[in-house]
Amino acid sequence: DGGITQSPKYLFRKEGQNVTLSCEQNLNHDAMYWYRQDPGQGLRLIYYSQIVNDFQKGDIAEGYSVSREKKESFPLTVTSAQKNPTAFYLCASSIPEGQGNSPLHFGNGTRLTVT
Amino acid sequence: AQSVAQPEDQVNVAEGNPLTVKCTYSVSGNPYLFWYVQYPNRGLQFLLKYITGDNLVKGSYGFEAEFNKSQTSFHLKKPSALVSDSALYFCAVRAPLGGYNKLIFGAGTRLAVHP
Repeated sequence: DGGITQSPKYLFRKEGQNVTLSCEQNLNHDAMYWYRQDPGQGLRLIYYSQIVNDFQKGDIAEGYSVSREKKESFPLTVTSAQKNPTAFYLCASSIPEGQGNSPLHFGNGTRLTVT
Repeated sequence: AQSVAQPEDQVNVAEGNPLTVKCTYSVSGNPYLFWYVQYPNRGLQFLLKYITGDNLVKGSYGFEAEFNKSQTSFHLKKPSALVSDSALYFCAVRAPLGGYNKLIFGAGTRLAVHP
């Protein structure tokens, strides 16, 4: 079955360490996204990529980095510069944005805890 | 400014009763509106969308939503609630972002259906 796989499901890190969250999709979607979810705040866009080797900052990109070397993969690195990294991170994909009405397909998320 | 408001943090309803989860939006131009559902520790699942046409949109799991342009609302409804409908519901609207159509999410409404 096609879908989006995020790994690991739970991740624990010490403050000051960088950590990379994996996101892989086999839906053949061009566009991929990273969102952060905090209780009572909905979802906030971190980075998005509309095509391989291209990505753009979202609303809260500071302290995060991404790469898009393959269509299937869009890993997110949470750096030590992110002041409050503990959150639930969601990866999503969609068909090209030019159509404007395509729904997002989400992975099951990675819950990151930094202590 | 583009925004989405879900005025209720939580909605409680008895099984078998009708349910409504409210959403209002503010966006320039014609809105593309979406509803998503999230079960605990999972990603979001697409329920339905309004792009154009009939103001009453039918979606997955018996849910429907009514688009009201004059009230800038897109309330989610179901005629008869099930306990299994208990989850977190997000309303979202497309908004332009520098050539890219960004999805803006509301803060979410927790639906609790009691037996």
